[in-house]
Amino acid sequence: DQQVKQNSPSLSVQEGRISILNCDYTNSMFDYFLWYKKYPAEGPTFLISISSIKDKNEDGRFTVFLNKSAKHLSLHIVPSQPGDSAVYFCAASYNSGGSNYKLTFGKGTLLTVNP
Amino acid sequence: DAGITQSPRHKVTETGTPVTLRCHQTENHRYMYWYRQDPGHGLRLIHYSYGVKDTDKGEVSDGYSVSRSKTEDFLLTLESATSSQTSVYFCAISDMAGLDTIYFGEGSWLTVV
Repeated sequence: DQQVKQNSPSLSVQEGRISILNCDYTNSMFDYFLWYKKYPAEGPTFLISISSIKDKNEDGRFTVFLNKSAKHLSLHIVPSQPGDSAVYFCAASYNSGGSNYKLTFGKGTLLTVNP
Repeated sequence: DAGITQSPRHKVTETGTPVTLRCHQTENHRYMYWYRQDPGHGLRLIHYSYGVKDTDKGEVSDGYSVSRSKTEDFLLTLESATSSQTSVYFCAISDMAGLDTIYFGEGSWLTVV
């Protein structure tokens, strides 16, 4: 039962263009969404997040959009740079009661930005 | 960089042997997590801890146990390693500030032959 789905295993874009990474979720209890970036042989690093009370959050070249009715979020990178080449993980969470905070991750999308 | 140290970073072990991976943090964060990363599966939560001696199972906990006797250390034990446990294991920590403050270690590569 995969609650967070990244249906595109890979994406290739040209430098300077927009990269759009997509993520779908099935659990309507999720109320917080995050994107992590991972380079080979390194741990994932936090990129950007969005709460379910918002539909957009922007941080520099990175923007995350949330469509709650469609249970869909996307990460836009504009303009894309070769250094953005990495695996991007979508993650979601909800407060399951008490003080438990857990992330559920998608399978990841490998982004390749070509010079 | 968040003060997270995983050890060992690389290990090859034989099927049936016990293995313990250690995660050490210097941030005094309350929450600690063990994830595994596998091709086609992304990151999956094995176990997590929300305080000293307080632990709970994640989605792929079978075959793994954990212990947290001190705030700074979270141990993951494979009692009898199997080839299906060949993976990259990531420790993560977070505090009460929110999930965007989850920090991951650099990973431990485990090969079970």
